[in-house]
Amino acid sequence: QKEVEQDPGPLSVPEGAIVSLNCTYSNSAFQYFMWYRQYSRKGPELLMYTYSSGNKEDGRFTAQVDKSSKYISLFIRDSQPSDSATYLCAMSLTNTGNQFYFGTGTSLTVIP
Amino acid sequence: ETGVTQTPRHLVMGMTNKKSLKCEQHLGHNAMYWYKQSAKKPLELMFVYNFKEQTENNSVPSRFSPECPNSSHLFLHLHTLQPEDSALYLCASSHGRGGANVLTFGAGSRLTVL
Repeated sequence: QKEVEQDPGPLSVPEGAIVSLNCTYSNSAFQYFMWYRQYSRKGPELLMYTYSSGNKEDGRFTAQVDKSSKYISLFIRDSQPSDSATYLCAMSLTNTGNQFYFGTGTSLTVIP
Repeated sequence: ETGVTQTPRHLVMGMTNKKSLKCEQHLGHNAMYWYKQSAKKPLELMFVYNFKEQTENNSVPSRFSPECPNSSHLFLHLHTLQPEDSALYLCASSHGRGGANVLTFGAGSRLTVL
């Protein structure tokens, strides 16, 4: 069983739609959760960072962590063509270590 | 220049060539990483350096040889690679001290082995 499972997509939505991206994980000890966005021919860039369970909002983006279900989500409201990218979830056990566990990434296309 | 810079951005090499990838970070971070990114797979951690000392080697074949001369520079030396080594190689850094410990990535070096 993989540590982190993420549906690779591709996911295609019309502009303005609400997008939901999800990851599940197997290790209940994960405490720190991240979402990275990767545009074509670029490296991943950090989008959201959360600790433990709960929600975090930043503009059109909301990250949600449900540790009881071992499930994390990223919601994008009012999606724009510029949101078209691959979204990778990542998680870690501590805030000082060097081990980060990644999903495979979900490819998203927002159609104008 | 800020962030994490990788050169070259694209590299094509034969199986008998020797080449190097370079990474430089201008963030004052104390940890640097090499990751391999292949289609449909999670990022694969290859090497980690903390304060110039290698702390992680994820069973990477010896045809990949890392070098970290100081905490701002990281190299990946490549020799006698195989076609299956074709991938995007990402350098990243993190600070690992207080605050949010997250990775900052470079744009990657796209490697094609013929």
